[in-house]
Amino acid sequence: GDSVTQMEGPVTLSEEAFLTINCTYTATGYPSLFWYVQYPGEGLQLLLKATKADDKGSNKGFEATYRKETTSFHLEKGSVQVSDSAVYFCALSDQGQAGTALIFGKGTTLSVSS
Amino acid sequence: DSGVTQTPKHLITATGQRVTLRCSPRSGDLSVYWYQQSLDQGLQFLIQYYNGEERAKGNILERFSAQQFPDLHSELNLSSLELGDSALYFCASSAGPGKGYEQYFGPGTRLTVT
Repeated sequence: GDSVTQMEGPVTLSEEAFLTINCTYTATGYPSLFWYVQYPGEGLQLLLKATKADDKGSNKGFEATYRKETTSFHLEKGSVQVSDSAVYFCALSDQGQAGTALIFGKGTTLSVSS
Repeated sequence: DSGVTQTPKHLITATGQRVTLRCSPRSGDLSVYWYQQSLDQGLQFLIQYYNGEERAKGNILERFSAQQFPDLHSELNLSSLELGDSALYFCASSAGPGKGYEQYFGPGTRLTVT
């Protein structure tokens, strides 16, 4: 079945450092890909999305490019802030379906210090 | 604020009991999804409803059931509770076919079974 694999955390960075969180997927169809962020004590917020190969999703300085050839959707940010400290989840859903469940990776905890 | 509301925020109950979690989707969204988040299993899809009808089932136990009402709010019923059912339960909603597939999450209900 479909699955998502994310790099293990925690990731600990200093403010203004470059961030990469790796995400790869396995899917039989042509999934849509998402990054969600969960701040402490809160629900999941949609951070960015991409629906087809070579699409780049971006939001709040975060970017991720849908790479079909490497089945990857790595999350990047050029300069992290303390406020970016959270858990980041990569997820997929089958594109074109009427509305299907999200399959999540295990999450990567990011801790940014000043 | 995603526009998805969940009540209650916290719930503490004893083994063997039954509880009901409630979710109101974003205005206009027809699909409701339920997810369970636990430390050992991560985020797992339980069940989806679309416009009052069950659409998809995931790893939902037979002791759990859900429904979506004519006003589109949804309830997740958990019965014969066990210690292992302690988790965060999230509801998410999306617009539905042809109108948007992004899922927006509520703040969650934290269930503690003692």
